[in-house]
Order: sequence, then C-alpha cells, then structure tokens
Amino acid sequence: AQTVTQSQPEMSVQEAETVTLSCTYDTSESDYYLFWYKQPPSRQMILVIRQEAYKQQNATENRFSVNFQKAAKSFSLKISDSQLGDAAMYFCAYITGGGADGLTFGKGTHLIIQP
Amino acid sequence: KAGVTQTPRYLIKTRGQQVTLSCSPISGHRSVSWYQQTPGQGLQFLFEYFSETQRNKGNFPGRFSGRQFSNSRSEMNVSTLELGDSALYLCASSPWASGGVAYEQYFGPGTRLTVT
Repeated sequence: AQTVTQSQPEMSVQEAETVTLSCTYDTSESDYYLFWYKQPPSRQMILVIRQEAYKQQNATENRFSVNFQKAAKSFSLKISDSQLGDAAMYFCAYITGGGADGLTFGKGTHLIIQP
Repeated sequence: KAGVTQTPRYLIKTRGQQVTLSCSPISGHRSVSWYQQTPGQGLQFLFEYFSETQRNKGNFPGRFSGRQFSNSRSEMNVSTLELGDSALYLCASSPWASGGVAYEQYFGPGTRLTVT
C-alpha cells in the first residue's frame, strides 16, 4: 500500500524561529506530485506548497520551503520566521500521475507556535 | 475567484437514514474530489469526478456514491448511515492539468456529519 509517514505528531517552536516538519512517502510510481497542506482550527485545508517529483529544484513559497530528496523519498517542510498564524495541523500528501487513489495523506503534525 | 463551497456545513442524521452533501467548485475547475476525515483513519479519498464521470474511486463501500453535474457542481450521497460515517467530509476542486491529472486540489470548508 502506498503510504505517507509524518513521524512528528506534534512540534513546538518559538515565534520568529525556524521549524522543519518531516515527511517520508512510499510509492512505486515514478510520476507523482507532493504537497503540504495546512489545516487550522477552522478545518479549512489550505495548500501551502507543491513539488513535482520530476523537478530537482526544491519549491519555495515565501517563508515556506521544502527539502525534496527523491531517492530517500523524503519531503520535509521548513517554515522560516514562524508566526502565530502558522499554528495548525500540517499534512504531507502526494498524488500519482494517474490520480487513481486521489491524494494520499499522512496523519499530520500539530504545530504549536509559542509567543 | 470564489473558493470551493460546501453545503450544508453541519448535519445531524440518524442511523439508517441517507444524506446528500453538495459541493460547488472554483469557477473553471472541472474536477471534483471527495475525502472523508476522521480522527481514527485520517484523510481518505472517496472518489473523483471529471466532466460528469467518476474517474477514480477510493476503497469505500457502495453506500457512498456521488455525481457531478454539467456545471461541475458535485453531490455525494451516503445511504443507510452508520455511526462510523460520522466525519468531516471535504470536497476539493482542481483545474484541468497537463495530462488530465487533478494534481493540485483546493479544498472547501467541509461538511461535519454526525450520525446518532
């Protein structure tokens, strides 16, 4: 079965500091796309960043960046200059090129921002 | 553009009843996917519709069904509700992507279904 593992159920970081959330995935497909989604207490899932597996360059979106290690099947999210509004559940997910199983999600990491 | 909308936002049903949830995608998006989120199982894929056709399906029983209309709006139906169907049901829409894969999905606020 295809899986996504987020080994950190909860993480805490001081405001303005940098935090890295880890994610590993397992797929036999060569064509796939990776994502980080944020789910605040409102439960609205928000797309944070995406990465195409065929691209070697790591994606960045303002304070959010990823470290994509394709051979290791690792896809970590780095949040720089953490802000109180970053507090949420963060889900790592991927979808294969055929989209047959939709998005496969990890169990999530609860990120706490300490003021 | 307006985001993905879902109605109703909250629903309480009794075991054995059926329920229909609605989703309106972002304007111009032709793909709609549905997911179930529970504390125990996390986020699980139900199915995806594109151009009124179910294109992909997750591992859920036949009690879960859906459809998509010509304006891309989608409905999801659950028949003979069970207590375990209590969950947050999330709808996501996606633009047409290269190769036809709905790889970038934008989610609605969800419908919280409680089965008693």
